[in-house]
Amino acid sequence: QQKVQQSPESLSVPEGGMASLNCTSSDRNFQYFWWYRQHSGEGPKALMSIFSDGDKKEGRFTAHLNKASLHVSLHIRDSQPSDSALYFCAASSNSGTYQRFGTGTKLQVVP
Amino acid sequence: NAGVIQTPRHKVTGKGQEATLWCEPISGHSAVFWYRQTIVQGLEFLTYFRNQAPIDDSGMPKERFSAQMPNQSHSTLKIQSTQPQDSAVYLCASSPTGTEVFFGKGTRLTVV
Repeated sequence: QQKVQQSPESLSVPEGGMASLNCTSSDRNFQYFWWYRQHSGEGPKALMSIFSDGDKKEGRFTAHLNKASLHVSLHIRDSQPSDSALYFCAASSNSGTYQRFGTGTKLQVVP
Repeated sequence: NAGVIQTPRHKVTGKGQEATLWCEPISGHSAVFWYRQTIVQGLEFLTYFRNQAPIDDSGMPKERFSAQMPNQSHSTLKIQSTQPQDSAVYLCASSPTGTEVFFGKGTRLTVV
């Protein structure tokens, strides 16, 4: 069983719309979260990290973390076609260990 | 900064042959990671090094996979007796402190 679970598997939103992605860690030792984005033919690139309860905003991207439930979400407002990609959630136990990744959410932004 | 460099980008091997994948991490980064990506499993952690020392190889299939980091400028992942189920994209990544991880573009391995 995947220890980092993401939903939905795929998501289609209209250009200018809001995309919402979800992620849960089943291991309480892994509670530091990252969001990555991967375009076809490229490696994943970090979008943002969130380590504390609450919201963290970076431009059009907002992450929300609930440490009690180990649930993190990513919201992309004013979605653009260039946001179409595979989005991964990753969790780590502390800043010095490897990150566990989920299976990803494929986002398609339709013009 | 050319980022993490992986070679080759594509490799085709026959079943039973050996495959060696190369990674050049970003200069100055102390941590190097190897991941395997498939559609079904997503990104699976394989192993990582810190300051060239192996730290955790808990994700490595024990019998045919091995990884080395002989110097700070490159790491290799070797797969002996490749099998069709080894077909995947193998991603190398490096990190300055173990926080943000920078990935290469990957090596797509196809075992026929």
